Amino acid sequence: DTAVSQTPKYLVTQMGNDKSIKCEQNLGHDTMYWYKQDSKKFLKIMFSYNNKELIINETVPNRFSPKSPDKAHLNLHINSLELGDSAVYFCASSQRGAALSNEQFFGPGTRLTVL
Amino acid sequence: GNSVTQMEGPVTLSEEAFLTINCTYTATGYPSLFWYVQYPGEGLQLLLKATKADDKGSNKGFEATYRKETTSFHLEKGSVQVSDSAVYFCALSDRSSASKIIFGSGTRLSIRP
Repeated sequence: DTAVSQTPKYLVTQMGNDKSIKCEQNLGHDTMYWYKQDSKKFLKIMFSYNNKELIINETVPNRFSPKSPDKAHLNLHINSLELGDSAVYFCASSQRGAALSNEQFFGPGTRLTVL
Repeated sequence: GNSVTQMEGPVTLSEEAFLTINCTYTATGYPSLFWYVQYPGEGLQLLLKATKADDKGSNKGFEATYRKETTSFHLEKGSVQVSDSAVYFCALSDRSSASKIIFGSGTRLSIRP
């Protein structure tokens, strides 16, 4: 039933490690996103893919690499984790161009803690 | 560039009080406007939206009207409940910007019983 799912929900790791977060949507949408939410709740877009093609790539360190194997999945791999990467990461999806409003549907978030 | 400014929180109200959370925007063209809500420990959910000037979005007793003349989209509710405690985000989507949504900084709302 879950529309946008993310795994894992919590991720605790040491500085310098490499980790991945996975996202899947079963809404049939063609566009997926990754957002980072900091401790003050500020939400910032990182990446967006439309039909497996990267369409938004904000100023994000190249330690972050998104991968979209198909339009229902968008994974985020992070190399050499740093303390400042600690945040909640949200995946979202939408159907681009299907409606005027481009409503996005969000996953439950992955809380990443780097020690 | 496009931006969204919303009132800073936290906002604390008693149950059944009237709520207003102010939101203004800067955008080229004619953006769509949204309010999203984030309950504790959850992702964001769309609360309401408006796609053109003078449209009113409404849901769960919340309302917001798209005012082009004042570039505003203020969120209102006549009588809040404890269950409305959450963080509220105003946002805009400019159709020319590759499906990007610009979010405001969020306003935390706490309702006292």
